[in-house]
Amino acid sequence: SAVISQKPSRDICQRGTSLTIQCQVDSQVTMMFWYRQQPGQSLTLIATANQGSEATYESGFVIDKFPISRPNLTFSTLTVSNMSPEDSSIYLCSVEDRTVGGYTFGSGTRLTVV
Amino acid sequence: GQQLNQSPQSMFIQEGEDVSMNCTSSSIFNTWLWYKQDPGEGPVLLIALYKAGELTSNGRLTAQFGITRKDSFLNISASIPSDVGIYFCAGQRRETSGSRLTFGEGTQLTVNP
Repeated sequence: SAVISQKPSRDICQRGTSLTIQCQVDSQVTMMFWYRQQPGQSLTLIATANQGSEATYESGFVIDKFPISRPNLTFSTLTVSNMSPEDSSIYLCSVEDRTVGGYTFGSGTRLTVV
Repeated sequence: GQQLNQSPQSMFIQEGEDVSMNCTSSSIFNTWLWYKQDPGEGPVLLIALYKAGELTSNGRLTAQFGITRKDSFLNISASIPSDVGIYFCAGQRRETSGSRLTFGEGTQLTVNP
């Protein structure tokens, strides 16, 4: 299966600052997905990142708050901008993985905003 | 938006017991996936189902893709302590805008030795 490396694994940030999360895949993939998992909750899709085009955001998520880069077929970043305590969540990247017939996830970035 | 209703929300069982959980939706999905998430980790794929009516096993796990394409269940037989975790169902739809996963709310499983 695809191997996804996500950095940082956790961080504690001050409100009003921004954090950029990196996602590196060991194979080329067309689409990369970014999810948010709020404490004790399920996963919610933030956006889909395609290489060479702007990311597609789900309802309730906007580019100004969650800018995404996708410079090549193995890498993407998600920035959480102007953070508030409500942004405290686990952020996960994912790719469609044909070798396993589903989607593979990174281990996530646990963000705490104080 | 689409919603997946997953039940039960939590289960407390004794080691050796069988477990069953299910997901239902008001929408049709092309694929049903079942994931397990351990603390501090991302979800790990357990079973993928691609056809209505499909029944698939993976060791002690068995899952089925409902005939209406709107539901799925996961069974775990002879539970062991390492089965502890959160189990999520996920439905996939392929749309013109791309592929999209929708997750259920999760089932927290506790296994008492």
